[in-house]
Amino acid sequence: GAGVSQSPSNKVTEKGKDVELRCDPISGHTALYWYRQSLGQGLEFLIYFQGNSAPDKSGLPSDRFSAERTGGSVSTLTIQRTQQEDSAVYLCASSVLAGGVYEQYFGPGTRLTVT
Amino acid sequence: KQEVTQIPAALSVPEGENLVLNCSFTDSAIYNLQWFRQDPGKGLTSLLLIQSSQREQTSGRLNASLDKSSGRSTLYIAASQPGDSATYLCAAPTGANSKLTFGKGITLSVRP
Repeated sequence: GAGVSQSPSNKVTEKGKDVELRCDPISGHTALYWYRQSLGQGLEFLIYFQGNSAPDKSGLPSDRFSAERTGGSVSTLTIQRTQQEDSAVYLCASSVLAGGVYEQYFGPGTRLTVT
Repeated sequence: KQEVTQIPAALSVPEGENLVLNCSFTDSAIYNLQWFRQDPGKGLTSLLLIQSSQREQTSGRLNASLDKSSGRSTLYIAASQPGDSATYLCAAPTGANSKLTFGKGITLSVRP
């Protein structure tokens, strides 16, 4: 079946502009996660959606970052007034509880470059 | 707070060698541990997930073990091939939530 998809695959933007990154999870997966991967920092958790519960936003680095998940499916990560330190690969993952565990499946990522 | 460490950061071996990649974590009350592979410019591919009640999992030439008491997991790769060259990451959930804390990965190069 189809895996997690993300768009765009690459995004170059000017400092100060807003960007939107999209994630389409695997159908039926109730949990959706956003992570950021940058040089020297490794993979960092950003935000987590689980069903209809309030999202866990504890990993968002600043109030310029926000995310929503509409209809329990597609998610959009928005970065306002982008800064050069926002340059990274943004990865989305989805999972569903099976056998007592949430095994996460990742998309190919969006590479964001802020110039 | 869960912290995950992978040492060394890079490893180069000749083709055919059996090798072990190490992962250590600080919170032994983990629910599971997941190993991933990442090819350059690509996303993460899940290799193996070991539940807290399990000691190991196997898939083909890969075997992952989990020792909660010592805070360690190992990924064993048998008869390594150049196609195994990639970055290998381990990750464990942060507390009861399923969000993952990742190690920084081990970049493996298998020389023909």
